[in-house]
Amino acid sequence: DAGVTQSPTHLIKTRGQQVTLRCSPKSGHDTVSWYQQALGQGPQFIFQYYEEEERQRGNFPDRFSGHQFPNYSSELNVNALLLGDSALYLCASSFRLAVQETQYFGPGTRLLVL
Amino acid sequence: AQRVTQPEKLLSVFKGAPVELKCNYSYSGSPELFWYVQYSRQRLQLLLRHISRESIKGFTADLNKGETSFHLKKPFAQEEDSAMYYCALLPKETSGSRLTFGEGTQLTVNP
Repeated sequence: DAGVTQSPTHLIKTRGQQVTLRCSPKSGHDTVSWYQQALGQGPQFIFQYYEEEERQRGNFPDRFSGHQFPNYSSELNVNALLLGDSALYLCASSFRLAVQETQYFGPGTRLLVL
Repeated sequence: AQRVTQPEKLLSVFKGAPVELKCNYSYSGSPELFWYVQYSRQRLQLLLRHISRESIKGFTADLNKGETSFHLKKPFAQEEDSAMYYCALLPKETSGSRLTFGEGTQLTVNP
């Protein structure tokens, strides 16, 4: 099991563009959470998906949207990119019904907005 | 709303010295606390969680509800402990598993 995988690893976009980031969860996991990590800061929760629906959302604008597919993989979409969206985007997967739910993180996608 | 504070961005100790990474939290309910670690060029990974009450790689952390703290301790630091450490909180009263992270402490263990 490769664990949580994310693609692409790096991405450069310009202001106003749109971007889609992808995440495949660890085998056996059904829940995907997305985090944004700006330089020098801890990860900040964007949203969480399970059963193909957004279940929780952090303090992020509607420009940030997502999707979960029947195979539990997920996408994060960001529209109308701003310079401030430059960050490392982390995906974490977990099994919702585990006795002690643990989030496993992917390597991240580094987004640079110019 | 919950908040996690790690007052030290950088911490440097010598090999064999004790180390303590501080974590304070604010949350009105009953939280679950975690320490995550990120070694150089590796992904973020769980180090330990307070409900397990276990020692991982010689590290321990005790939840002090009175002081709202969850400090990470190791009696004898090793060079391989050098990494970025994040304290994180999970509110148990809400459904889902939204983690709130601190800003992290970069630990350097010098030879």
